[in-house]
Amino acid sequence: NAGVTQTPKFQVLKTGQSMTLQCAQDMNHNSMYWYRQDPGMGLRLIYYSASEGTTDKGEVPNGYNVSRLNKREFSLRLESAAPSQTSVYFCASSDGPWGNQPQHFGDGTRLSIL
Amino acid sequence: RKEVEQDPGPFNVPEGATVAFNCTYSNSASQSFFWYRQDCRKEPKLLMSVYSSGNEDGRFTAQLNRASQYISLLIRDSKLSDSATYLCVVNTNQAGTALIFGKGTTLSVSS
Repeated sequence: NAGVTQTPKFQVLKTGQSMTLQCAQDMNHNSMYWYRQDPGMGLRLIYYSASEGTTDKGEVPNGYNVSRLNKREFSLRLESAAPSQTSVYFCASSDGPWGNQPQHFGDGTRLSIL
Repeated sequence: RKEVEQDPGPFNVPEGATVAFNCTYSNSASQSFFWYRQDCRKEPKLLMSVYSSGNEDGRFTAQLNRASQYISLLIRDSKLSDSATYLCVVNTNQAGTALIFGKGTTLSVSS
């Protein structure tokens, strides 16, 4: 049982390049999330999808877009990467959007933008 | 007041010690509480949920005080492998932005 799978695990981009981070979960969860984690900042929510077909902004959505492709997959796109987007990105999923159940995390994508 | 506050530490303890972490939260409507563990450069992993009556899982005990909006985690007989950052997590009952993560308390256990 893989849980939450993220690809790629590492990526280096140049400023202005675009890329998509992929996330898939096999737990049949309804809700999915994208976070970024920077030193001293804790986890910050970028976007979330409460259920298939819906997406909403979190705390730090600027510079990102998302797609909930189906129930399993939730992708995060950087259209024009900036050095400030250098971070570790985590995808998570949970049974529902209300926080009554814990979220399960993928092992992260480490992204550096030069 | 920050939504979830934790002492960042680090807590440096010898093997076998008992250590306690505290966490306060600001949303009195919160209903669900969790402790996560995060190893260096790894993903957060659920350690345990926190129930109103308090709960124990082996060497780990979690307590909740709703009146004071305070959560604690007690680790007994610390092991080297307990070295990690411990995140206090509280729900908001708001769809999507449902879980608020504290910044974590770092524990270092030495031999």
